[in-house]
Amino acid sequence: IAGITQAPTSQILAAGRRMTLRCTQDMRHNAMYWYRQDLGLGLRLIHYSNTAGTTGKGEVPDGYSVSRANTDDFPLTLASAVPSQTSVYFCASSNGQGPNTGELFFGEGSRLTVL
Amino acid sequence: KQEVTQIPAALSVPEGENLVLNCSFTDSAIYNLQWFRQDPGKGLTSLLLIQSSQREQTSGRLNASLDKSSGRSTLYIAASQPGDSATYLCAVRREGNNRLAFGKGNQVVVIP
Repeated sequence: IAGITQAPTSQILAAGRRMTLRCTQDMRHNAMYWYRQDLGLGLRLIHYSNTAGTTGKGEVPDGYSVSRANTDDFPLTLASAVPSQTSVYFCASSNGQGPNTGELFFGEGSRLTVL
Repeated sequence: KQEVTQIPAALSVPEGENLVLNCSFTDSAIYNLQWFRQDPGKGLTSLLLIQSSQREQTSGRLNASLDKSSGRSTLYIAASQPGDSATYLCAVRREGNNRLAFGKGNQVVVIP
């Protein structure tokens, strides 16, 4: 069972560089999400997508962009990375059918360090 | 705005004791509540999902209850084992909203 695959697993990046975190799911879930997790702040939603072709802003969207060209892929782009974007990034997806409607599944995370 | 609180932030229990973890939320108009486990350096693993119409869910040694009117959920882990050491997070999805509000988690250490 693959579930959600994130890449890269970790990355060190110079400030000002552009970076795309990749996320692919094989569960055919409609909804996908990007969270960042920081010590003391917990998980915060960056962007989400309810279905292919649509996206929305979460709590902390500034400096990030997403696209949802198809059901499976939901990349997160940092146009010009800053040190405050140093974090662990998690991609997640949720289903919309059956007895466990709305159950959220997570990838293993991408650890990003911006210097 | 939905606020989700998990207290205490960290706790230790001896092996064999039952674990009781609490999650409280401010807005009772929820769609579902989900409990997760997170091991250090890893992603979140779904443990139990309780829909708003349900009072509890069980899986093996785990049992989660939901009381919407009081804004509380409790996760019980029976006969704790060292392998249960992890951070446990709860998350609440509002009605009509596809986004979850997360608590900051309970960091649990089970002492052999």
